[in-house]
Amino acid sequence: AQRVTQPEKLLSVFKGAPVELKCNYSYSGSPELFWYVQYSRQRLQLLLRHISRESIKGFTADLNKGETSFHLKKPFAQEEDSAMYYCALKQRRYGGSQGNLIFGKGTKLSVKP
Amino acid sequence: GAGVSQTPSNKVTEKGKYVELRCDPISGHTALYWYRQSLGQGPEFLIYFQGTGAADDSGLPNDRFFAVRPEGSVSTLKIQRTERGDSAVYLCASSLLGPANTEAFFGQGTRLTVV
Repeated sequence: AQRVTQPEKLLSVFKGAPVELKCNYSYSGSPELFWYVQYSRQRLQLLLRHISRESIKGFTADLNKGETSFHLKKPFAQEEDSAMYYCALKQRRYGGSQGNLIFGKGTKLSVKP
Repeated sequence: GAGVSQTPSNKVTEKGKYVELRCDPISGHTALYWYRQSLGQGPEFLIYFQGTGAADDSGLPNDRFFAVRPEGSVSTLKIQRTERGDSAVYLCASSLLGPANTEAFFGQGTRLTVV
């Protein structure tokens, strides 16, 4: 079954501490993975995707196919990073690059001053 | 508009009533998705439109749920005989179609409460 698991509901760190939000997936094909973020009272927005191999707001995520993981990392957390983070897997269908997203349950990151 | 717009932002309805939730996607976005997010959960896929047609409705929970997109732009999610278990935030997302990986942009959602 295709599935995304985020084992932590809540992660609380102090400002300046490193952060790692865990994400594991189960997918039979070649996975396409994303991290979405939802700040307080804002809409869900894309943070980064594995295919771009980019760093956004200091966050990075590396796809590890051996461990079926896509953990989100940041070396020094900031208070403005406090938000809900969702890992998502694209369920590719329709013969192309389109597909719906399968989301994990989300991790609430709280960065304390 | 600049982004995906969903109306109403909040809807309270009585059990057994019919509701319609509207999604206005980003202009030019051919792909449109509906998701449902229950408390403490991530969004769950309901239905996908490519243009006017529902390309995949496998996520609709039962036949009380239906969605249309008659002109390939605005979409309406319709729920008949609402039940308390339908209470959730309903999210709409739109994206371009194409061979490249395209980002899905989400609306603010409609919070549906069935009392």
